[in-house]
Amino acid sequence: QVTLRESGPALVKPTQTLTLTCTFSGFSLSTSEMCVTWIRQPPGKALEWLARIDWDDDKFYNTSLKTRLTISKDTSRNQVVLTMTNMDPVDTATYYCARCGRAVAAFDYWGPGTLVTVSS
Amino acid sequence: QSALTQPASVSGSPGQSITISCTGTSSDVGGYNYVSWYQRHPGRAPKLLIYDVNNRPSGVSNRFSGSKSGNTAALTISGLQAEDEADYFCSSYTSTYTLHVLFGGGTKLTVL
Repeated sequence: QVTLRESGPALVKPTQTLTLTCTFSGFSLSTSEMCVTWIRQPPGKALEWLARIDWDDDKFYNTSLKTRLTISKDTSRNQVVLTMTNMDPVDTATYYCARCGRAVAAFDYWGPGTLVTVSS
Repeated sequence: QSALTQPASVSGSPGQSITISCTGTSSDVGGYNYVSWYQRHPGRAPKLLIYDVNNRPSGVSNRFSGSKSGNTAALTISGLQAEDEADYFCSSYTSTYTLHVLFGGGTKLTVL
């Protein structure tokens, strides 16, 4: 059974760095073609693809946010970490992690999401 | 880059069929057969319903089907059930350099 779950702070202050952890089970990120993606949805807006890390440690970023994002993995702990620097109130959103790799641009398992509010 | 366009809401009665559209451009929906559809109930993880325009993962009911014509993809739900009441959103591979996947704004389905 594949599961993913996001964890991190519910509230961050403007200019702070956000660190989110995706802890997963039921698959290994060392398996060929597997990947994990981070996606967010601001209130009332569409989902936005943020970053992806592949089984071979290739990394891809939303270039609009590239300078602020870092994605990494700890295969032994089944975790993927996303950091976003210089947080702003417009970054208030529900952040999701999702598994990818079984089909192009499709995410077959998602976490329930975690709401992050940016406010002083 | 703008999100894919979906209707904000649709509704139908139990047993009926409804269709949700997802409109993009030739750089995403129209250019590739990599459209996916997801269902999300409040507070729960999104669930993949359709990938590659019209393929269902194992375990997804055959009441859900996908199609595409030009720059518009569609999700059809037949035999509506109360449990289908949820948010639905589409996604597509995009060839734009800024990101890899574009999402729709989401559609709220109400089962009357």
